Amino acid sequence: AQTVTQSQPEMSVQEAETVTLSCTYDTSENNYYLFWYKQPPSRQMILVIRQEAYKQQNATENRFSVNFQKAAKSFSLKISDSQLGDTAMYFCAFTIQATTAGANSKLTFGKGITLSVRP
Amino acid sequence: GAVVSQHPSWVICKSGTSVKIECRSLDFQATTMFWYRQFPKQSLMLMATSNEGSKATYEQGVEKDKFLINHASLTLSTLTVTSAHPEDSSFYICSARTGGSYNEQFFGPGTRLTVL
Repeated sequence: AQTVTQSQPEMSVQEAETVTLSCTYDTSENNYYLFWYKQPPSRQMILVIRQEAYKQQNATENRFSVNFQKAAKSFSLKISDSQLGDTAMYFCAFTIQATTAGANSKLTFGKGITLSVRP
Repeated sequence: GAVVSQHPSWVICKSGTSVKIECRSLDFQATTMFWYRQFPKQSLMLMATSNEGSKATYEQGVEKDKFLINHASLTLSTLTVTSAHPEDSSFYICSARTGGSYNEQFFGPGTRLTVL
């Protein structure tokens, strides 16, 4: 079974600063995907960034980047130039690569971390 | 693209009644839909996975007779909470997945259920 661990329940960062959110996972699979989702106060889940396990290059989306360490099973999210709108819960999630539609495609979520951006 | 809607967004019902929540993929066909439950400040808990035209697969501990899931078409899945009780009050979120790569799920905006 897969597990995703987010050990920090809360973090706070000053606007315009950089913050890193930690995530570790455990799996015996070799082909999988990792995601960071953002859930703002509206509670709409928003995909922030994804990483394919077979890619060595770390994914980047504008101010968001990941540090993917496959051997260490670590997948941290770095938010640069933090903005007030980044205030949200952030969830790290894992899914194995499905070989057929619907098969084993469910997401395993971490407990989440509440990020507050201070003005 | 990849928009998922849920209806209603908020519902209050009396104990003992049944409530139906709809989840629709608006601009794509969803081969698989998922239903989650979320308590405040907690993570999403997967309740069940449904594939169009087949019976839903429920996670351990989820009562299938209590939470009825129907995935009648590639764009619609419904969750019916039968004989609702106050402990069923929660935030319910659906997601939909296409048959494409990345196993990406697109999430609906959620439904807040309050059972009095």
